[in-house]
Amino acid sequence: GESVGLHLPTLSVQEGDNSIINCAYSNSASDYFIWYKQESGKGPQFIIDIRSNMDKRQGQRVTVLLNKTVKHLSLQIAATQPGDSAVYFCAENGSSYKLIFGSGTRLLVRP
Amino acid sequence: NAGVTQTPKFQVLKTGQSMTLQCAQDMNHNSMYWYRQDPGMGLRLIYYSASEGTTDKGEVPNGYNVSRLNKREFSLRLESAAPSQTSVYFCASHTGTGGTDTQYFGPGTRLTVL
Repeated sequence: GESVGLHLPTLSVQEGDNSIINCAYSNSASDYFIWYKQESGKGPQFIIDIRSNMDKRQGQRVTVLLNKTVKHLSLQIAATQPGDSAVYFCAENGSSYKLIFGSGTRLLVRP
Repeated sequence: NAGVTQTPKFQVLKTGQSMTLQCAQDMNHNSMYWYRQDPGMGLRLIYYSASEGTTDKGEVPNGYNVSRLNKREFSLRLESAAPSQTSVYFCASHTGTGGTDTQYFGPGTRLTVL
């Protein structure tokens, strides 16, 4: 069946370093991918998205890379800040706009 | 523009009690969704409504019912709560008309069933 998973459940980085969060997906027909950030006690917040006709997309301090050959998605956060500490979820679109979420990676930023 | 709002924020029920979780969005979105999130896990889709007047089952619909009251509101009902339904419930909405496919989430309802 369709699934979205993550390689690392917890990532600890030093403040100011770059962070890379990885995600694997299994449905090669998925054409839209999203990264969400979820802070403690809050709902998921949209960070960045990418369509399957792109390999890379950049936002403010964040970059998403898509490798369709190996069905891999990554989120890069530049100059990681304490406010970036959260759980990050990748998601892929299913049918009828249904999203399939991974289990999440917790990012911890050390001061 | 409040986005997606949910009520209540917290709720404690006894096994067998019923309740309705409310969700509203003011973004004129066509599609709305209910998810549950268990500790250390991602979100699982309970029910969704692709447009006003339609509802469909998601991944984990058992024990729940939904009502798309109008374009703005989508409620989730637990008829007879069970401890296995202890979770955080998130409502989301989506334009459903193309463009960005991003879903926007509410702040969540934390439900405990004793």
